[in-house]
Order: sequence, then C-alpha cells, then structure tokens
Amino acid sequence: GAGVSQSPSNKVTEKGKDVELRCDPISGHTALYWYRQSLGQGLEFLIYFQGNSAPDKSGLPSDRFSAERTGGSVSTLTIQRTQQEDSAVYLCASSSAGNQETQYFGPGTRLLVL
Amino acid sequence: AQKVTQAQTEISVVEKEDVTLDCVYETRDTTYYLFWYKQPPSGELVFLIRRNSFDEQNEISGRYSWNFQKSTSSFNFTITASQVVDSAVYFCALRGSTLGRLYFGRGTQLTVWP
Repeated sequence: GAGVSQSPSNKVTEKGKDVELRCDPISGHTALYWYRQSLGQGLEFLIYFQGNSAPDKSGLPSDRFSAERTGGSVSTLTIQRTQQEDSAVYLCASSSAGNQETQYFGPGTRLLVL
Repeated sequence: AQKVTQAQTEISVVEKEDVTLDCVYETRDTTYYLFWYKQPPSGELVFLIRRNSFDEQNEISGRYSWNFQKSTSSFNFTITASQVVDSAVYFCALRGSTLGRLYFGRGTQLTVWP
C-alpha cells in the first residue's frame, strides 16, 4: 500500500511480558516517528529516526522502551516487562527529509496490558 | 519551549452550522510549522493542512478554512456548513525549526448532529 502500515492492529498482553510493535513507513520517506496516545496524556512523542543520524530518544518514558530502524526502513518499537500504564495506542508516522515536511500517520497499534 | 493549546475540549453543533476550532501556540523559533490533523472514530490521524511561519496567507479548501495570525500566535480552523461526517477529534500541532517531533494540542472533539 501507499501509506504507513503498522502491525499488529491490536495486542493484548499480560503484565511483565515483552511486546514488539512494527512500523513500515511510506516508501522513500527517510524520517520515522513513534508517538503514543493515551486517554490521560494525549499524543506523546516517543522517538524519531532521520536517515543515518542518531535517533532522538528524548520522549521514551523509561528504559523499558527501545526502538530500532533496520536498513533505513522498517522500525520496531519494543516494550520490555510491560506495565498496565503502557496500555495505549502506539502511532507511527513517516515523512520526507526536511523539517518542513508533513508527517503521515499509520493506523496505530492498540496495546492492552492486563 | 514549544506548546500548543486547544482550549475547546468538546464542541457540538447541528448540521449546516459553521464552527471554528481554536489553536494557540507558543514557540521561540522564528521559523516553525503548524499543522491540523483529523482523527475520525476509526482512529487514524489524517493530515489536513500545513502552514509555514513565513506564510501568513489564509487558506480555503472547500468547506475548510484556516486563519493564521502570528500577532496572536493563533492558527484557527473553520468548517463551514458542517456535516455529520466532520465529527471527529481535531488536533493542532507545532513543529519547530530544528527538531523533528510534533507538539500536539490536547485535541477538540467535534460532534455534528443531524
């Protein structure tokens, strides 16, 4: 497809388990972003990848959260030892190079930690 | 520091009414970018418009129009002759000149009744 894709669409896990969320950006987009949307916190920035530069990890809420981007394309967000407060919708976006470029969002992964 | 304020949490209108969604921003950057996104009940964030700080021209796209005023740090969004399909959460966002992330407002839930 032409847009940003994310998988899985929904994920239910037990507290303490690790989860991996995947994002496939728009072809040719060099920048990739992860955000989190929860009821109490609105839309929060997590991490930003731009080409081969070091990622901006300033939004990651704890060291249980990590992300990587392989080959400048697909990205995986990993949450270790999940907690109930990690329940949220995780959104991925991508854009062309340049700060002025628009970020286009995927459909999100809805994570529920029981 | 970058900040976006959407003071209106919820707005309800009847179909065919005009409605304006307010957005006020704060930034120290001289170059910055403003965005509006729509999030329908399906959950995906849909890009509506981008405005650069050096371009204060207002824009109209069909029933949608945007009023950008640097003097009051506002970027308001008006829907003319609203329709039920306009029901969604609308987010205003700001991107500074150097960082890639978007700063989102808390969103305005618009409900259009038939």
